[in-house]
Amino acid sequence: EAAVTQSPRSKVAVTGGKVTLSCHQTNNHDYMYWYRQDTGHGLRLIHYSYVADSTEKGDIPDGYKASRPSQENFSLILELASLSQTAVYFCASSEDTTNERLFFGHGTKLSVL
Amino acid sequence: GEQVEQLPSILRVQEGSSASINCSYEDSASNYFPWYKQEPGENPKLIIDIRSNMERKQIQELIVLLDKKAKRFSLHITDTQPGDSAMYFCAASVPYGNEKITFGAGTKLTIKP
Repeated sequence: EAAVTQSPRSKVAVTGGKVTLSCHQTNNHDYMYWYRQDTGHGLRLIHYSYVADSTEKGDIPDGYKASRPSQENFSLILELASLSQTAVYFCASSEDTTNERLFFGHGTKLSVL
Repeated sequence: GEQVEQLPSILRVQEGSSASINCSYEDSASNYFPWYKQEPGENPKLIIDIRSNMERKQIQELIVLLDKKAKRFSLHITDTQPGDSAMYFCAASVPYGNEKITFGAGTKLTIKP
């Protein structure tokens, strides 16, 4: 089973502070994604990457940056955290983008106060 | 972009009976329709998927139906068990890769003993 590990599992941040969520995969997958989960909205794509040192905007990128320093690691950065960014964040990887199975991490519960 | 509507948002069924979740999509180019199951505190996992060249697919107690004309697809769980209690997400993907996958808002399924 493919492995995607997220850290931290939960975090409390202050409004205006910087938050970095980390994701590490050992699947040797080229594609990695950051999703946000909110009640009533399902999973929405924030950023994704298909190669190291390159990231792409998803459907809701505003307020977020992403970094892919290596094939295995993909970070999500909130430079100025806001209350509206309180959510559960999931990282995922896939072998390629041709309608392939997504392997999700266990999520990071972020609370911005 | 693609929009996926998923209903119902909450579903409670008696153990041993069937459960049905319905999704509709807008983009006729969508050709891949996965279903993910998320148990409490866990990560979403792919349980079944169907591609546009099929109308029906079954894996054990899971049945997926696809009606491309109506742009609807559905998940049917027969002989439900307590372990089927979870959140279920449908999704639709156009043939340009996972970055174009759109999830429904989710259905919380509870199996009553």
